[in-house]
Amino acid sequence: KAGVTQTPRYLIKTRGQQVTLSCSPISGHRSVSWYQQTPGQGLQFLFEYFSETQRNKGNFPGRFSGRQFSNSRSEMNVSTLELGDSALYLCASSLFFLVGGGETQYFGPGTRLLVL
Amino acid sequence: GENVEQHPSTLSVQEGDSAVIKCTYSDSASNYFPWYKQELGKRPQLIIDIRSNVGEKKDQRIAVTLNKTAKHFSLHITETQPEDSAVYFCAASISNDKIIFGKGTRLHILP
Repeated sequence: KAGVTQTPRYLIKTRGQQVTLSCSPISGHRSVSWYQQTPGQGLQFLFEYFSETQRNKGNFPGRFSGRQFSNSRSEMNVSTLELGDSALYLCASSLFFLVGGGETQYFGPGTRLLVL
Repeated sequence: GENVEQHPSTLSVQEGDSAVIKCTYSDSASNYFPWYKQELGKRPQLIIDIRSNVGEKKDQRIAVTLNKTAKHFSLHITETQPEDSAVYFCAASISNDKIIFGKGTRLHILP
């Protein structure tokens, strides 16, 4: 079975631009969750999608949004990029709910975003 | 707001000894506590988790304990090996809500 894939792997943007990241879950997995990882803040939860619906959301501004398609693939969008958005963005997939459901999750390799 | 404190931030143990990492959480409604291991340059990996209705869970050399009254949970690694060197993150989550991570513990296994 193929693992979780994320595209692109690396991205350089400038302040004010927007970016869309993609995550393809393991086949059959219905939950996709997104995380931001930085040296200063560590791992932070962005949101979780299940069956095309956002189940929950972390403490991030409205510039961070996402969606999930009928094939469970998910995209994350960040608008009006700021320097502080430079980070590794990870997604993870699980069979059922992650948050509260306690399902085993598998992470993708991440997209490293640099905002100049 | 919700918070997860993790200690220590760095831990060095001799190979073969045990390592213990502790986390405390603030929201008493938290009911799921996963632990992740992240080796240098690699993606995080869920290594063990525990639900609020269980006090302890073991998987070979790894165990997690939960004290709901004190709102803390711990990761125990016995007979440590070089491949245990990594950053370990604890987390706490509430049903249908967000998941909060600790800041991480960098574990060094000394030869």
